[in-house]
Amino acid sequence: AQTVTQSQPEMSVQEAETVTLSCTYDTSESDYYLFWYKQPPSRQMILVIRQEAYKQQNATENRFSVNFQKAAKSFSLKISDSQLGDAAMYFCAYKSLFSGGYQKVTFGTGTKLQVIP
Amino acid sequence: DTGVSQDPRHKITKRGQNVTFRCDPISEHNRLYWYRQTLGQGPEFLTYFQNEAQLEKSRLLSDRFSAERPKGSFSTLEIQRTEQGDSAMYLCASSFPRGSQETQYFGPGTRLLVL
Repeated sequence: AQTVTQSQPEMSVQEAETVTLSCTYDTSESDYYLFWYKQPPSRQMILVIRQEAYKQQNATENRFSVNFQKAAKSFSLKISDSQLGDAAMYFCAYKSLFSGGYQKVTFGTGTKLQVIP
Repeated sequence: DTGVSQDPRHKITKRGQNVTFRCDPISEHNRLYWYRQTLGQGPEFLTYFQNEAQLEKSRLLSDRFSAERPKGSFSTLEIQRTEQGDSAMYLCASSFPRGSQETQYFGPGTRLLVL
């Protein structure tokens, strides 16, 4: 079974600075998807960024980028130019690629990000 | 596209009572998922539907839990004989098959408190 570990329960960053959230995972599969989701307080969870494991290039979405280290099974999220609206719980998640219809997504326990004005 | 909606948003019930939650997915999405999220944890997968067929069930889904999606549109999750350990946020998500670009869109959740 796959597991996702987020070792930082809480992080803080000054507005306009850069912060990196860590995620490691365990799997015996060679192809899979990785995601970062954002869950603002009392609001819906939304997808921030995704990475296909078969792609070597790290995904980027505006101020959000990932550092995907497949051999190390590491998938960190970097937020540049942090904004107050970035304050939220961030969840790292894993999904098998060749699932045969199996659609389960496994989430980590989350990192609470505080942005300090 | 009005997003995924869930009803009710909050539910307080007494132990032993039955509760039912509803999820309305985004209209063109044929895949629907239920998750449970307890305080301080990430969402845990419960079950998955493709159209009206329930294709996967987690071991977390005990026999007191039942989910349906009768016409392949909205879904209901029923918990019978609720226990205090059932207190959690129940999240629904939907998606449309798009290969590597498939994205699960989440609803706001139903927060259940069992007294």
